[in-house]
Amino acid sequence: AQKVTQAQTEISVVEKEDVTLDCVYETRDTTYYLFWYKQPPSGELVFLIRRNSFDEQNEISGRYSWNFQKSTSSFNFTITASQVVDSAVYFCALSSYNTDKLIFGTGTRLQVFP
Amino acid sequence: GAVVSQHPSWVICKSGTSVKIECRSLDFQATTMFWYRQFPKQSLMLMATSNEGSKATYEQGVEKDKFLINHASLTLSTLTVTSAHPEDSSFYICSARGQSVWRRTGSKEQYFGPGTRLTVT
Repeated sequence: AQKVTQAQTEISVVEKEDVTLDCVYETRDTTYYLFWYKQPPSGELVFLIRRNSFDEQNEISGRYSWNFQKSTSSFNFTITASQVVDSAVYFCALSSYNTDKLIFGTGTRLQVFP
Repeated sequence: GAVVSQHPSWVICKSGTSVKIECRSLDFQATTMFWYRQFPKQSLMLMATSNEGSKATYEQGVEKDKFLINHASLTLSTLTVTSAHPEDSSFYICSARGQSVWRRTGSKEQYFGPGTRLTVT
């Protein structure tokens, strides 16, 4: 069975702090995709990143970076120098190559205070 | 590109009535559409997967007679909540994947609509 665990339900930081959101997944598939989405208060899901299981290279995009470690089944997300606009719920998700079903984690609510 | 719209963005209805939610892919042909439900402060749960021209595949525990899904064209899927009850109040989100996008990019990415907030009184 596939499962995504986001153990941190809520994180509060002060602006300019760095913050890491954890994501641990379970799957028996050898080929799969991992995603991060941001859900601001408006509710609309914002796609942040997709990573396939073949590519364990870490990725950086501006203040965002992702650390994919297959050995520990983790796909963690770090925001550097957080800003108030980063306040949202962040979801990690998993899908297998053969199906398009997205299995979402329970989400981490990030609050960035000025 | 890859824009998905939903209509309405919010709806309030009385218990026992039916509500239809539309999901449209605006700039690509969506061969597959997904419907998710999200209760307050909870995660998104997949309700069903629909392929254009085929019957939807429902996830375990989702009543297919209550949540009617129609994917009659490559740009439109509808979710009808029949005989809605207060416990059906939720945020319904659709997503779409286009075959052309997949073939061109190899991407399995789904494009999400903005969601529809349903309140049943």
